[in-house]
Amino acid sequence: GAVVSQHPSWVICKSGTSVKIECRSLDFQATTMFWYRQFPKQSLMLMATSNEGSKATYEQGVEKDKFLINHASLTLSTLTVTSAHPEDSSFYICSARDLLGGEWDTQYFGPGTRLTVL
Amino acid sequence: DQQVKQNSPSLSVQEGRISILNCDYTNSMFDYFLWYKKYPAEGPTFLISISSIKDKNEDGRFTVFLNKSAKHLSLHIVPSQPGDSAVYFCAASATFGNEKLTFGTGTRLTIIP
Repeated sequence: GAVVSQHPSWVICKSGTSVKIECRSLDFQATTMFWYRQFPKQSLMLMATSNEGSKATYEQGVEKDKFLINHASLTLSTLTVTSAHPEDSSFYICSARDLLGGEWDTQYFGPGTRLTVL
Repeated sequence: DQQVKQNSPSLSVQEGRISILNCDYTNSMFDYFLWYKKYPAEGPTFLISISSIKDKNEDGRFTVFLNKSAKHLSLHIVPSQPGDSAVYFCAASATFGNEKLTFGTGTRLTIIP
């Protein structure tokens, strides 16, 4: 089946630094990718919708200048957490929608990236 | 405001018996519902979905029931197998090009051999 990868799977950084997380669709093209954040024992919360070649659409309450999203190609979207602080520590997970897909079962999720900010 | 709720954080079921996972929602605009299964260190995997025009959808051992008036849906797994042990997320969306999913908090299902 379709595979979505994320890199890195786990990252620890110092407060004030920036961290980039990559989301790749390995065997299909994705015009749309989604970025979610999951805090412990909570649900996945949609942060933004990333469309290839255009600006991302952010959900209410998500700072676009802090969470920079770039969707430069049909197989790659990146999320950069700028000036990270301990409260940004979370599990970040992306999903990608198959270009040719018309149904919900063609949205595939990556394995997630655990970010810990010291 | 948690628009999609899974009130049981965990559930244990004997192998071979039926597993029933429940999900409630509050937003009446939701008209498409999905269940995802998630293993540790992996992304959620789509399991089954249901549109609001239906009240039941079945796929092998998995059946999803939707009660629109009660804003409630449930996932039935029968017979339950050890490989079904995972975290199950309920998700909902409104249509007309809105692909955004609102997830519940998940239910950890453990199948006891």
